Amino acid sequence: DTGVSQDPRHKITKRGQNVTFRCDPISEHNRLYWYRQTLGQGPEFLTYFQNEAQLEKSRLLSDRFSAERPKGSFSTLEIQRTEQGDSAMYLCASSFQGYEQYFGPGTRLTVT
Amino acid sequence: KQEVTQIPAALSVPEGENLVLNCSFTDSAIYNLQWFRQDPGKGLTSLLLIQSSQREQTSGRLNASLDKSSGRSTLYIAASQPGDSATYLCAVRWEDKIIFGKGTRLHILP
Repeated sequence: DTGVSQDPRHKITKRGQNVTFRCDPISEHNRLYWYRQTLGQGPEFLTYFQNEAQLEKSRLLSDRFSAERPKGSFSTLEIQRTEQGDSAMYLCASSFQGYEQYFGPGTRLTVT
Repeated sequence: KQEVTQIPAALSVPEGENLVLNCSFTDSAIYNLQWFRQDPGKGLTSLLLIQSSQREQTSGRLNASLDKSSGRSTLYIAASQPGDSATYLCAVRWEDKIIFGKGTRLHILP
């Protein structure tokens, strides 16, 4: 296992469309995190899973956002009815328990 | 309210100099603090993790210290190199949240 992977790396979509991103964590890691990062800012926490359970959700995660980790392995983040303000880099990270987090390369979303 | 602040926002130093990046946080009841490096348009690379019970961690030319009581961490980079140019971020974990600072953009002048 070479690290955390994310797919796609780039996504351009029109306002109002739905998009889905995938994250594959390091295999032995039981925690998976999603963050959003805009230009010049640090990553902002969105949500995290311990195995398949979603344990924490930020207030940033509006009703249009949903995340799943159905079998405690990969995770998906879906944004419905995208808005221009959703344009950002979406980062995924994994860790074993609350120890060191390892990040994927991110998915850059552009909403036109 | 828990907050994480990184100062300075940007720093340029000549190659070979030693330098210190700062991270401060409110609420000393942290679980751990992690330093990352981010290259433009890329994901984050973990540099050092300090647990709340630890005072410092070292990896190669990097040394991170933690003073919970004063709400501060520093990342010391020895003998800086042009390849160290990047944005350096600290992330603080509390029981119920993780907050990143905005980062320090470091430029090492050849």
